[in-house]
Parts: sequence; structure tokens; C-alpha cells
Amino acid sequence: DSGVTQTPKHLITATGQRVTLRCSPRSGDLSVYWYQQSLDQGLQFLIQYYNGEERAKGNILERFSAQQFPDLHSELNLSSLELGDSALYFCASSVRGDSSYEQYFGPGTRLTVT
Amino acid sequence: GQNIDQPTEMTATEGAIVQINCTYQTSGFNGLFWYQQHAGEAPTFLSYNVLDGLEEKGRFSSFLSRSKGYSYLLLKELQMKDSASYLCAVRPSSGGYNKLIFGAGTRLAVHP
Repeated sequence: DSGVTQTPKHLITATGQRVTLRCSPRSGDLSVYWYQQSLDQGLQFLIQYYNGEERAKGNILERFSAQQFPDLHSELNLSSLELGDSALYFCASSVRGDSSYEQYFGPGTRLTVT
Repeated sequence: GQNIDQPTEMTATEGAIVQINCTYQTSGFNGLFWYQQHAGEAPTFLSYNVLDGLEEKGRFSSFLSRSKGYSYLLLKELQMKDSASYLCAVRPSSGGYNKLIFGAGTRLAVHP
């Protein structure tokens, strides 16, 4: 158990819908990262927040957005869902904001878009 | 561009040694990580190299050569539970402090 929690574990929804994935980092970690892992693309970095502020951005679609709240939990919002958005979404956390420390991954949310 | 290459699959025998290679071409370099991921589970941290040389951690060792853009993960005394995917990830020096670029992973199957 990494100490990072994610909800829900599974999500099944229809194309065009909007969903919110939630992540709570390990106690004391200020940085949260979101990743998408699909079968054909491996683990792709989406976005990072550090202490409430956006710190780094990967290939995140405009239909996706994220935020980190004052209590340091984070939410990833996915809208206008397409079949290709079906994937495992991982959240990770680390102590600092500069990635010189390892990232601890949560168990993931499996999103299925039908 | 950013590119990380690892073999797609490897097989090995229980008790043996296996070496998983990773080559990278990124815009700058600021460290390389190895993660283990069992099917359907979260990646877990194995090692971190930022300077050239070998880092040893129990049955697992990781080597880095920055001039060659090359790393390997060495697994000794293989156990059945080592069957998993092994992900090589590079932290480029540009594009944000924490933008880890992951390779596609190497699926390792350990046989009795």
C-alpha cells in the first residue's frame, strides 16, 4: 500500500459524458501527478500540481482539466468523453516538487467509455 | 524529440539473472527511474540513477551511462513474483521539473 488513495476504482460511462477522478496523496506529500495508461500507449504523464499550483504539463487534452485543493487532494475532470479515453488513470505523489524523489502511485481508476 | 526504448518482452528462469536494457534520447537529462508494475496494479519504485555507475539494492541493481544514453536493470536470483512489467522513466531537464517520460515497459516472464 503506497498511501495514495484514488476513487473510484472502476468507472463505466458513455461517450459524451463527464467524470471526475479523485486522488488523495500520501500524508506530507505536496506534489500530485496524473498519468494515463492505455494498452497501446503505455504510461503517459498528464499534469502535475505542487501545493495547489500547476507545476508541469504533459500531453493533456483540452477536454481534461485538474486541480489541487487546499487539503492537497486532487481531482482530474474528463469531459466530452470518447471511446479512446478508456484507460487506467493513475495518480502519484511525492514529497517535493522537483521529481528528484520517487513518486508513489495510487491503485488507479479504470475508466471504460462505452 | 523524446524517445525511450526498451525490449517489449523477455523470459528468464527462476533463480537466474536477467538484464533489462533501456536507451533514451531526451531534451536534457536529470535522472532515470526504474519502476515495477504487475498487471493491473500501480507501478512501484525500484531505483533512481542520476550519476554514472551502478546502484545496488538487494537483488536489484541499476546502471547508468549518461554519455551513452543507456541504463540497465539487473535482477538476480529471479523469483516467480518478479514476473511483471519493468518501466524505465527519464526526467528531462526541460518541460517542467517533474515531467517523467516513461518507456513502454518490458514484460518479464519468469518460468520455473
